[in-house]
Amino acid sequence: DAGITQSPRHKVTETGTPVTLRCHQTENHRYMYWYRQDPGHGLRLIHYSYGVKDTDKGEVSDGYSVSRSKTEDFLLTLESATSSQTSVYFCAISESWENSYEQYFGPGTRLTVT
Amino acid sequence: GNSVTQMEGPVTLSEEAFLTINCTYTATGYPSLFWYVQYPGEGLQLLLKATKADDKGSNKGFEATYRKETTSFHLEKGSVQVSDSAVYFCALTNNNDMRFGAGTRLTVKP
Repeated sequence: DAGITQSPRHKVTETGTPVTLRCHQTENHRYMYWYRQDPGHGLRLIHYSYGVKDTDKGEVSDGYSVSRSKTEDFLLTLESATSSQTSVYFCAISESWENSYEQYFGPGTRLTVT
Repeated sequence: GNSVTQMEGPVTLSEEAFLTINCTYTATGYPSLFWYVQYPGEGLQLLLKATKADDKGSNKGFEATYRKETTSFHLEKGSVQVSDSAVYFCALTNNNDMRFGAGTRLTVKP
């Protein structure tokens, strides 16, 4: 199994509070991704990173920011959480962005915004 | 743009039944196609992949063939087991874009 951990695994927070989710990898892969998983939508890309300090937006980036100061860590921040951000968040990594390369997923973080 | 459509679930089968989960895609150029599986409480795991037309991906008794003429990548297994109960996602990557289908929940009963 690819060495990917996410923390916390579960979090309940109130509307309007800031929240940071952490993804940590031990594989030294260049690319890292944050997805959210919602019923009926599959997984949707929030942000991704193609190197230290290099990030870009995905399909559903509004309300989220990311940072990557080290190869192994990719942080996802909700500056002011809303109920629509209640979801399961998955981090993923890959060696390359080329079409043929698969992604490896972490165990997920279940976030509930009340 | 790129998109993936897969059959809606849930799908319930008896053990040893034949499984088909349909997946079609929209993309320009030469996408790669994947099937991922998600067991309860876990992240997604790659099940199989195909990177060019007519390729067949296979793993653990599951198969899928990349059909460019019908833009499809249907997942099949000849004899399902209770342990195959999970959610299955079809996905594609194309030009720095990865898209997932909505997922199909499979339940296999003994």
